[in-house]
Amino acid sequence: AQSVTQPDIHITVSEGASLELRCNYSYGATPYLFWYVQSPGQGLQLLLKYFSGDTLVQGIKGFEAEFKRSQSSFNLRKPSVHWSDAAEYFCAVGARTGTYKYIFGTGTRLKVLA
Amino acid sequence: SAVISQKPSRDICQRGTSLTIQCQVDSQVTMMFWYRQQPGQSLTLIATANQGSEATYESGFVIDKFPISRPNLTFSTLTVSNMSPEDSSIYLCSVELWDRKNNEQFFGPGTRLTVL
Repeated sequence: AQSVTQPDIHITVSEGASLELRCNYSYGATPYLFWYVQSPGQGLQLLLKYFSGDTLVQGIKGFEAEFKRSQSSFNLRKPSVHWSDAAEYFCAVGARTGTYKYIFGTGTRLKVLA
Repeated sequence: SAVISQKPSRDICQRGTSLTIQCQVDSQVTMMFWYRQQPGQSLTLIATANQGSEATYESGFVIDKFPISRPNLTFSTLTVSNMSPEDSSIYLCSVELWDRKNNEQFFGPGTRLTVL
């Protein structure tokens, strides 16, 4: 069955430090992969997506993610975190099981220390 | 891209009552989705609503509890029926857009429901 795992429920980093949020997926075919961010009281905003081609994808707000097929991973990175990055981050895989739908991970809540 | 609005943005309801949530999109879309996000949890797909056909419900969700309407290509409603405190969640609608071979879902701001 298709699934998405985000091993880290909470992560705390200092402002200016680098960030990596982990995401592992289980899907039989080549996946469509996404990272979304949800700020408090807000809807979900797409940070970046991977469909094919270059395995290192660039997104908005200085984020990037690398698709590693051998590790079934799609980790999100940012070289220098800003206080405004504090939010909940969700990894998702697009899966076709009858209809096409997204399966979301459980999310990682990022806290940024000043 | 797509701009999605939801009404109401939040509500507090008594158990046993029903609430209908509206989702409006600024462009015509084929597929619309309804998700539930329980407190501190991830998003769980409730159903997929395709215009002109019955909604397709995920395991654990039934039409009697979550009836959905999809009268046209820009609008959908989700009703949470006979509510209980366990229905307290954020309910989000989303739409799917395809660009060549790429796919993306755009999400509405959500409806925060509290059931007393």
